[in-house]
Amino acid sequence: GAGVSQSPSNKVTEKGKDVELRCDPISGHTALYWYRQSLGQGLEFLIYFQGNSAPDKSGLPSDRFSAERTGGSVSTLTIQRTQQEDSAVYLCASSLDNYGYTFGSGTRLTVV
Amino acid sequence: RKEVEQDPGPFNVPEGATVAFNCTYSNSASQSFFWYRQDCRKEPKLLMSVYSSGNEDGRFTAQLNRASQYISLLIRDSKLSDSATYLCVDTRRALTFGSGTRLQVQP
Repeated sequence: GAGVSQSPSNKVTEKGKDVELRCDPISGHTALYWYRQSLGQGLEFLIYFQGNSAPDKSGLPSDRFSAERTGGSVSTLTIQRTQQEDSAVYLCASSLDNYGYTFGSGTRLTVV
Repeated sequence: RKEVEQDPGPFNVPEGATVAFNCTYSNSASQSFFWYRQDCRKEPKLLMSVYSSGNEDGRFTAQLNRASQYISLLIRDSKLSDSATYLCVDTRRALTFGSGTRLQVQP
């Protein structure tokens, strides 16, 4: 597609439930990042995929968070047993050559 | 110390003013940076890259000072549409974002 697509755009879930957030990067982009942004805060790095290399998971805040990237394209971020502090906007970005990362419009997650 | 630090602002300036933001970084090995702008409740959008030679694009000029480990963004002739949060990004390893500087341009 023309841009980075994320779905759903909004998700409200009950505390304790699992959620899956999807990112469809720009076709051909080898690098993919997940970030989250709490209200009024900066972007917090979560995980980074680059080609076929092992992902950099150093930003994942707990073992309830995981992500995969299938076939070097679509990525899914999974949050298990959601907590209220997980409420944030989850942003995905992709890049071809480590220049000009393009962000999707994000998934706004609300845990009630 | 945070890897990338920014003054949160807000910077309130009149239209037509020149305004500058600095961003300090802690990793002396970092070599390239970005400035992104983020409008309220929107995703960040790339404004410009910053390498050792600096960068200029119209009213916007970015500079890198390796000795003092900071980058700067200068906006000349501010427009109302420049009102946004400006995010400094270190591209070393993962993209590391500062928490942003808010600019409010007033009529």
